[in-house]
Amino acid sequence: ETGVTQTPRHLVMGMTNKKSLKCEQHLGHNAMYWYKQSAKKPLELMFVYNFKEQTENNSVPSRFSPECPNSSHLFLHLHTLQPEDSALYLCASSQTPGGNYGYTFGSGTRLTVV
Amino acid sequence: AQSVAQPEDQVNVAEGNPLTVKCTYSVSGNPYLFWYVQYPNRGLQFLLKYITGDNLVKGSYGFEAEFNKSQTSFHLKKPSALVSDSALYFCAVRTGDYGQNFVFGPGTRLSVLP
Repeated sequence: ETGVTQTPRHLVMGMTNKKSLKCEQHLGHNAMYWYKQSAKKPLELMFVYNFKEQTENNSVPSRFSPECPNSSHLFLHLHTLQPEDSALYLCASSQTPGGNYGYTFGSGTRLTVV
Repeated sequence: AQSVAQPEDQVNVAEGNPLTVKCTYSVSGNPYLFWYVQYPNRGLQFLLKYITGDNLVKGSYGFEAEFNKSQTSFHLKKPSALVSDSALYFCAVRTGDYGQNFVFGPGTRLSVLP
């Protein structure tokens, strides 16, 4: 375990469903990130939270809605997704905003939209 | 703008032979350089980083990387490859500026053949 825990590990959802991905870290880190990893494509940064405040939204469609209630928890709320949203969603955290010392990643949630 | 290139999608090497996974970068300012490894259905794991100091940095699992400022490269190396090294390898860069996020390369798939 890396210290960053993501649940669930696998999720299958229909296009009309609403679901949430959860990320939790108890490393004392102050920044958290959501990345999308699709087959044959580079890692895509989706959202950045520094000290619980969203500092970056990389033109992500509104069907993805992040929430960061505190520095230890990060959620990604999903609704009316499309099949092309199927991917591995990775959460990461870093001690400092931007991660001078690197990121710690969770194991990811494998999302399949049917 | 920051960018990272990994010119090889795939690298094949025989077990016991030395391996090199290439990375070149472009940043304005001093680079912070990282290597991560991803095993199937897992998140990214930190291998090593260069921030300052010796150009040759040593990391986990016997890996090392050499920072070459004139060639803007940060190639990952290992003297003797193991089958268990087979994975997806990502190079990442950022500057030391506050708020800058990582830019990841597209990844290189390493296959070590027995």
